[in-house]
Amino acid sequence: GNSVTQMEGPVTLSEEAFLTINCTYTATGYPSLFWYVQYPGEGLQLLLKATKADDKGSNKGFEATYRKETTSFHLEKGSVQVSDSAVYFCALSVDWGTSYDKVIFGPGTSLSVIP
Amino acid sequence: DAMVIQNPRYQVTQFGKPVTLSCSQTLNHNVMYWYQQKSSQAPKLLFHYYDKDFNNEADTPDNFQSRRPNTSFCFLDIRSPGLGDAAMYLCATSPRQGRLPDHFGPGTRLTVL
Repeated sequence: GNSVTQMEGPVTLSEEAFLTINCTYTATGYPSLFWYVQYPGEGLQLLLKATKADDKGSNKGFEATYRKETTSFHLEKGSVQVSDSAVYFCALSVDWGTSYDKVIFGPGTSLSVIP
Repeated sequence: DAMVIQNPRYQVTQFGKPVTLSCSQTLNHNVMYWYQQKSSQAPKLLFHYYDKDFNNEADTPDNFQSRRPNTSFCFLDIRSPGLGDAAMYLCATSPRQGRLPDHFGPGTRLTVL
């Protein structure tokens, strides 16, 4: 079946440090891949997505590249800020062309950025 | 701002005592979802409504029910909560079937004593 695995947190970084949060997946079909972010006290928000192999999703300085050969979708940011402190969820959904199947989430990785 | 609202944010109930969680949305989205998220685990889809059509996940316990009286509101009823039902419950919406859930509420944290 479809599943998503993420690196365990919590991750603590100093401001302006480089961030990598690892994500790997198993899926049948041709999944689209996503990163969601949940800021403290708020709901999940879609951060970025990639719909096919070698696509790079990017938003707010975050990037992730869809690597089919390694079944990975690692999240990166060159210089984190305190405001990036949140829980990050990797997710996948199988795109059937005109519609998505249900979203499968990873367990989330908590990031704390200290000044 | 258009949004998804969940009430209450924190709910405490007793073992076996029925509890209802509520979700409302101002987005006029056709699809509403309920997810269960236990500590350090992935959100797990319980069921969703496409308009008035109810779609239950195969592994959702019978103890969990849902109602959607109109487009704006959706309720999660837990008929006889057990200790294992303590979790964060997330409501989400999507404009139509086959689209990703794109707006999430902040969640209701349920404690079962």
